[in-house]
Amino acid sequence: DAMVIQNPRYQVTQFGKPVTLSCSQTLNHNVMYWYQQKSSQAPKLLFHYYDKDFNNEADTPDNFQSRRPNTSFCFLDIRSPGLGDAAMYLCATSRVRQSGNEQFFGPGTRLTVL
Amino acid sequence: KQEVTQIPAALSVPEGENLVLNCSFTDSAIYNLQWFRQDPGKGLTSLLLIQSSQREQTSGRLNASLDKSSGRSTLYIAASQPGDSATYLCAVYILTGGGNKLTFGTGTQLKVEL
Repeated sequence: DAMVIQNPRYQVTQFGKPVTLSCSQTLNHNVMYWYQQKSSQAPKLLFHYYDKDFNNEADTPDNFQSRRPNTSFCFLDIRSPGLGDAAMYLCATSRVRQSGNEQFFGPGTRLTVL
Repeated sequence: KQEVTQIPAALSVPEGENLVLNCSFTDSAIYNLQWFRQDPGKGLTSLLLIQSSQREQTSGRLNASLDKSSGRSTLYIAASQPGDSATYLCAVYILTGGGNKLTFGTGTQLKVEL
């Protein structure tokens, strides 16, 4: 089945230790998104790629970066995680002008910062 | 700036009851609206997507309606079951030059009791 895969599902890191979260998709969608969801809060868009074009949200901290080496993969890099970065990180994909531009979500990666 | 509000924030009902969850948004210039379910500690499960030209969508015991002019959507759950217990999120799509963006509400936490 075509799908959005996130690895790992659970990630534990230490304060200040760089961490990378991975997202891959078999849907051949041209847009990929990263959302952050803190406990009891709404998911919040961090950034997205439209093909190779990177779009950063204005209030996304500089600590967060992303890479998209090819259509299938997108990575979220947190350079120096703080305790406030502990959250669920959700990856989503969509294809422009297909399926009503619906976004399809992966299962998420829960990040714990010690 | 688009804001999405969900009322009530929490709801507890006995099994078998029909219920309505409400979602309102401040900017009516939305593209699509989507309802999601989220179980504790898990990712998002898509329930219903209402595309811009539609007014409602149905799937099994779920029915979602959209009134863009008034900035409102409702999710109707018929004959609720304990397995329906979860947080329900609505999200509105806004088209951008770089694809589309989702703005989420903070959700309604539903508990269906035996």
